Amino acid sequence: GQNIDQPTEMTATEGAIVQINCTYQTSGFNGLFWYQQHAGEAPTFLSYNVLDGLEEKGRFSSFLSRSKGYSYLLLKELQMKDSASYLCAVRALPGSARQLTFGSGTQLTVLP
Amino acid sequence: NAGVTQTPKFQVLKTGQSMTLQCAQDMNHEYMSWYRQDPGMGLRLIHYSVGAGITDQGEVPNGYNVSRSTTEDFPLRLLSAAPSQTSVYFCASSHLDQGWETQYFGPGTRLLVL
Repeated sequence: GQNIDQPTEMTATEGAIVQINCTYQTSGFNGLFWYQQHAGEAPTFLSYNVLDGLEEKGRFSSFLSRSKGYSYLLLKELQMKDSASYLCAVRALPGSARQLTFGSGTQLTVLP
Repeated sequence: NAGVTQTPKFQVLKTGQSMTLQCAQDMNHEYMSWYRQDPGMGLRLIHYSVGAGITDQGEVPNGYNVSRSTTEDFPLRLLSAAPSQTSVYFCASSHLDQGWETQYFGPGTRLLVL
């Protein structure tokens, strides 16, 4: 089976740094993905990790440790528009829609 | 390009009614899928398609039917609505080369079944 855990809610201050953690237990592993979803809107793809280490993309970075079944999304220089839900998703095998499992999301609130 | 479009945006049904949620994309994507999103449960895959004429079941297919007669359209049919189907439904599409993970999601349909 697939199990993905992430905190339900987090709060941070504008300009600060926040780290959103994701742990997973899956029958296979072929990549971890982060999505951003603003309230009432569709999810949008943020980042992808398949090898251990840090992937940086502007203010957002994503880290993966396959041996620990652990990833985090790091958001720097927080802006009010970063208030959103952040979804972690794990792909157990490539090439099949069934193999992509989503976590329940972390609702991030950025305060002024 | 309009991207992925979904209609209606909102719908209220009574238990036992049937309806079709429409989804269309104009990006010539091979892959299309339907998800439902419920509070605290993340996105769950209902049905998916890898091309016209080909569909398959996802994690929660019961109570739903799909068809893919064209590349552009992927409607989702609720056969006999139940309160448990109250949810937000997202349609998504992606290119074969890009894979399921980099899907473009539609704006969603919010469905309430009374």
